[in-house]
Amino acid sequence: DAKTTQPPSMDCAEGRAANLPCNHSTISGNEYVYWYRQIHSQGPQYIIHGLKNNETNEMASLIITEDRKSSTLILPHATLRDTAVYYCIDVAGGADGLTFGKGTHLIIQP
Amino acid sequence: DTGVSQNPRHKITKRGQNVTFRCDPISEHNRLYWYRQTLGQGPEFLTYFQNEAQLEKSRLLSDRFSAERPKGSFSTLEIQRTEQGDSAMYLCASSQRGTGGGYTFGSGTRLTVV
Repeated sequence: DAKTTQPPSMDCAEGRAANLPCNHSTISGNEYVYWYRQIHSQGPQYIIHGLKNNETNEMASLIITEDRKSSTLILPHATLRDTAVYYCIDVAGGADGLTFGKGTHLIIQP
Repeated sequence: DTGVSQNPRHKITKRGQNVTFRCDPISEHNRLYWYRQTLGQGPEFLTYFQNEAQLEKSRLLSDRFSAERPKGSFSTLEIQRTEQGDSAMYLCASSQRGTGGGYTFGSGTRLTVV
């Protein structure tokens, strides 16, 4: 079963920042925080990951709290194409598979 | 390299028939994973290979399911005597050992059993 907790759905206006929360109440010291998204009828797509520090790439920013019990994925300027299901996953180093939950369905409104 | 390729994209079959799906991973990736996804749920792990060796199988993988990865390149997933409950999206992903949880997924094969 998935170890993370996410809201089932969120709305965000186009052009605004989308902030997606995730709770990692049972994360262990060697587990990374990974974020994927899945656009309708496609496979999941890797977005970003981190261990302790905040991370940024061309797609998004990842904020991890100091106690690592929660994280926030930030899409700085959401577009309609960002409408998707977003998954946060705790992944141990050397893990042999990803355990997905139900994710957050993010809907970008025009 | 165009990423992970899965064929066919869609398959409709009658209950009781056998079906086979193919996955071509990214060529330099030595790990290959199969997942199943039903409507409204996240993907569920089925099995994975490191090169040609099948290292782990989920209990979701019943005796009717078999996966192979001959020569450590492409992989096939076969379902024998299909049942309506097998209707789902079957996803393949690949990764390079040591890269943690950064997987590249294909677009999946959608199976409908009628």
